[in-house]
Amino acid sequence: GEEVAQTPKHLVRGEGQKAKLYCAPIKGHSYVFWYQQVLKNEFKFLISFQNENVFDETGMPKERFSAKCLPNSPCSLEIQATKLEDSAVYFCASSQSFGSRGGTEAFFGQGTRLTVV
Amino acid sequence: AQRVTQPEKLLSVFKGAPVELKCNYSYSGSPELFWYVQYSRQRLQLLLRHISRESIKGFTADLNKGETSFHLKKPFAQEEDSAMYYCALRANAGGTSYGKLTFGQGTILTVHP
Repeated sequence: GEEVAQTPKHLVRGEGQKAKLYCAPIKGHSYVFWYQQVLKNEFKFLISFQNENVFDETGMPKERFSAKCLPNSPCSLEIQATKLEDSAVYFCASSQSFGSRGGTEAFFGQGTRLTVV
Repeated sequence: AQRVTQPEKLLSVFKGAPVELKCNYSYSGSPELFWYVQYSRQRLQLLLRHISRESIKGFTADLNKGETSFHLKKPFAQEEDSAMYYCALRANAGGTSYGKLTFGQGTILTVHP
């Protein structure tokens, strides 16, 4: 598609439940990024993929968070046993590639608002 | 480690007035700087990148490596410029920090009629 599509738009989970968020990057884009934004503050980088391979996972919490980008499927971000502090808007972005001068623009999805109650 | 600072959380101006949104960064290498904008109920979208050196919607931004700044400017603000603005940095080097964006805290610009 022409836009990064994230589903669902809103997700409510009780503490301890699992949450799974989806992201369909723009067709032809090789790179996918996940960011977390808590209370309209800074975007915190979580993880990036180059096609189905993890490119950079330095921002991922070691426990409870996992992500995948499988061929012919939307990418996913999964949180096991959610906690109140996981409440945030999760943004996905995709970009085409990186060149020697830094690469191309990152296009963002609308975000998924996760509320943990 | 890279860091982006936007010192103003809120900025209000009147229509037709000049506006400057400040952005300072710290990064040991040669970064790429961007301005992203988020209008009400819309997704984050790229406004400017320093590499292209273009003017979009009347906005310009110049990378000042000496002052490590990338301030966003517009000589005559319009009401439709009201939005949240984020300054972002992308490491322009090899390695695993390549590609991810580091964002500032954002500045809410309100342009009054």
